[in-house]
Amino acid sequence: GENVEQHPSTLSVQEGDSAVIKCTYSDSASNYFPWYKQELGKRPQLIIDIRSNVGEKKDQRIAVTLNKTAKHFSLHITETQPEDSAVYFCAASSPDRGSTLGRLYFGRGTQLTLWP
Amino acid sequence: EAQVTQNPRYLITVTGKKLTVTCSQNMNHEYMSWYRQDPGLGLRQIYYSMNVEVTDKGDVPEGYKVSRKEKRNFPLILESPSPNQTSLYFCASSQRGGGETQYFGPGTRLLVL
Repeated sequence: GENVEQHPSTLSVQEGDSAVIKCTYSDSASNYFPWYKQELGKRPQLIIDIRSNVGEKKDQRIAVTLNKTAKHFSLHITETQPEDSAVYFCAASSPDRGSTLGRLYFGRGTQLTLWP
Repeated sequence: EAQVTQNPRYLITVTGKKLTVTCSQNMNHEYMSWYRQDPGLGLRQIYYSMNVEVTDKGDVPEGYKVSRKEKRNFPLILESPSPNQTSLYFCASSQRGGGETQYFGPGTRLLVL
């Protein structure tokens, strides 16, 4: 099956600075790469996603880039704000047993902490 | 309101006492799955279901059972819980599979003594 590795496991940045979280995947057939944010005590929620036919996608202060050749994708958060403090999970969806309906494999998460 | 619900939200039990965690969604989603979340290990899939009566093992299925008799419900069964199943459990659903937005339930925190 797919193996998703995520780095770093913890990230501390000053408010207003940028944060970058990187993930690699192993299955070249993976074609969907979402990012989920989990605030303390809450459920994970999708913040942005990208499909394999696109190299970059932006939504206000967050962006995701995908390098299919190198099999890695990254989350970029600019002008970080206190509400960005959370755990971020990357994931990759890989076709399962020939089905077009993929399974989703998660990275281990990155705890993003902001300091004033 | 479109949502995924789980019950109970918190549960303390003892080793060997069978328990069921319910999961229900009102979005007519075909795909449902269970994850457990442990510190430093992220979200690991236990079981998933592509549709009614179609279930399959995820990455950590040992000690768990599931059933999908109705489209909206996907209960997780621990027939003989052990302390290593102490964890935070999330149910999730999506329209058709892992390649779409997953909607997570609020989570069930389980402690097995």
